[in-house]
Amino acid sequence: KQEVTQIPAALSVPEGENLVLNCSFTDSAIYNLQWFRQDPGKGLTSLLLIQSSQREQTSGRLNASLDKSSGRSTLYIAASQPGDSATYLCAASTGTASKLTFGTGTRLQVTL
Amino acid sequence: EAQVTQNPRYLITVTGKKLTVTCSQNMNHEYMSWYRQDPGLGLRQIYYSMNVEVTDKGDVPEGYKVSRKEKRNFPLILESPSPNQTSLYFCASRSGVFTEAFFGQGTRLTVV
Repeated sequence: KQEVTQIPAALSVPEGENLVLNCSFTDSAIYNLQWFRQDPGKGLTSLLLIQSSQREQTSGRLNASLDKSSGRSTLYIAASQPGDSATYLCAASTGTASKLTFGTGTRLQVTL
Repeated sequence: EAQVTQNPRYLITVTGKKLTVTCSQNMNHEYMSWYRQDPGLGLRQIYYSMNVEVTDKGDVPEGYKVSRKEKRNFPLILESPSPNQTSLYFCASRSGVFTEAFFGQGTRLTVV
């Protein structure tokens, strides 16, 4: 059974700092891994999707990497801004119908 | 605009009163799923569907029903809600196992 862990559970950084969020998964037989952002009271916004054959994906200030052999993914946020404050979730896609198994998230606060 | 639409966004109901949460997507996706999100437990899959008239249980299906009579719609039915079904519910869709998942805005359900 796939298990996904995100560390740390919460993180506070000053504006402008670069930061890394971590995601680990136990079953390497994934189709892909997806990073989401969740704002309080809102839905999930997809940030990046990395296929199992890829090593990284980039979108603007975001860069996600994937190391299937070690069961790890990281989300790198460059030059953080207060608007980046949110909970970040990673989800590994495996098995029948490509079920998403989620971590419990990292709550990020970017301070002025 | 490509989107997954859930209704209602908020619902307070009493134990035992049947309710339906609707989900509709306009992207012609085959795959649709329901998740619930609870503090400390993350998002867990309730039911999924790989196409019209094809549905199956996820990790936490007890107390829920679904149907997929049309490709765009995937309603979640609670025939006799109980307080332990108080949660934040999300509907998701994707076109295939290698593609990005899109989520609705969520339905916050309280059962008293």
